[in-house]
Amino acid sequence: DAGITQSPRYKITETGRQVTLMCHQTWSHSYMFWYRQDLGHGLRLIYYSAAADITDKGEVPDGYVVSRSKTENFPLTLESATRSQTSVYFCASSEPYNEQFFGPGTRLTVL
Amino acid sequence: AQTVTQSQPEMSVQEAETVTLSCTYDTSESNYYLFWYKQPPSRQMILVIRQEAYKQQNATENRFSVNFQKAAKSFSLKISDSQLGDTAMYFCAFMYNSGGSNYKLTFGKGTLLTVNP
Repeated sequence: DAGITQSPRYKITETGRQVTLMCHQTWSHSYMFWYRQDLGHGLRLIYYSAAADITDKGEVPDGYVVSRSKTENFPLTLESATRSQTSVYFCASSEPYNEQFFGPGTRLTVL
Repeated sequence: AQTVTQSQPEMSVQEAETVTLSCTYDTSESNYYLFWYKQPPSRQMILVIRQEAYKQQNATENRFSVNFQKAAKSFSLKISDSQLGDTAMYFCAFMYNSGGSNYKLTFGKGTLLTVNP
């Protein structure tokens, strides 16, 4: 399917566990982004990537790790999940100076 | 740091009427882009409209138009002939490139718009 997909769509995990959220895009966009959405905060940037093997921190990177070995994939890993990481996570992709296209989101609950 | 402020956490409008959502931003950049995104209950983020700062003409997309006041750093969204399907959270976003690969969006906290029948 063309576009940007995220998996899983819903995830429940426990404090201290490692969790990986997947993001895949079929447009070959150079830029990819991870945001978290929390009530009262809008969307906040966690990490972004300008190309394969190039990543940089956003506004709230602590507790998260990203990698981008292939242009189309941009996984986000929570190394040791905490309750404060309960959120909805959005992946997005774009070309420079163009609008970002968003995935459907992953609702993560950390118990 | 760039900031985006949406001063109206919630708004409501009657079907077929017009509503304006406010957005202000703070930046020292001269070349940037502004966007309005819509997030309906499905949670999907959908681009509504885009404005380049170097363009003086206000962007328009069907029933959606913006009032871009660069000097005042204001970027409001007007929705004409409101429809029930316009009920959503609306986010204003600012984008610029400070050089190299440093290019990203900064979002406001959103305005929840409810269209009443």
